[in-house]
Amino acid sequence: AQTVTQSQPEMSVQEAETVTLSCTYDTSESDYYLFWYKQPPSRQMILVIRQEAYKQQNATENRFSVNFQKAAKSFSLKISDSQLGDAAMYFCAYGDYKYIFGTGTRLKVLA
Amino acid sequence: DTEVTQTPKHLVMGMTNKKSLKCEQHMGHRAMYWYKQKAKKPPELMFVYSYEKLSINESVPSRFSPECPNSSLLNLHLHALQPEDSALYLCASSQGSGTVTDTQYFGPGTRLTVL
Repeated sequence: AQTVTQSQPEMSVQEAETVTLSCTYDTSESDYYLFWYKQPPSRQMILVIRQEAYKQQNATENRFSVNFQKAAKSFSLKISDSQLGDAAMYFCAYGDYKYIFGTGTRLKVLA
Repeated sequence: DTEVTQTPKHLVMGMTNKKSLKCEQHMGHRAMYWYKQKAKKPPELMFVYSYEKLSINESVPSRFSPECPNSSLLNLHLHALQPEDSALYLCASSQGSGTVTDTQYFGPGTRLTVL
């Protein structure tokens, strides 16, 4: 069975600094997708970034980028120039026929 | 437009009540999902509808009854719930046949409290 592990329950970052959130997963599949979702206190799950496993190039979306290491089954999220609005719970998700979520990392941004 | 709407935002019900949660999307998506999320936990998949047919039921108790009247609308009917069913209920939709290669877009959720 597929699993997703987020080993950092909580992280803090100074405003304008860079932070990296870790995610590892386990699967025997070769074709799948990986996602990072953000859930602020407003509760809505917001897609941050998506990575197709067959693509070697790491996905980027403005200040958000991933480091996808397929062989190591690692999928970390880097947030550059952190802003107060980035404070939220971040979930890593693996997907083939359904999503498997990690346990989440709560990110605090310090002014 | 990637909006999924859910009503109501908050719901308080007794264990003998019958209520319904509603989810709507107008993105032309053909797959819709219900998740349950307890505090400080990740969402747990409950049901998946693909092309208006139930394709995944994650062994959810029968006191939860999903319904998909059309491709834009998804309901979750609630009856004889228990206090442990209190949670945030999230709806999501995705473009295709329910394969996870489609990115899921989430609604804001309904906060349910069962007394």
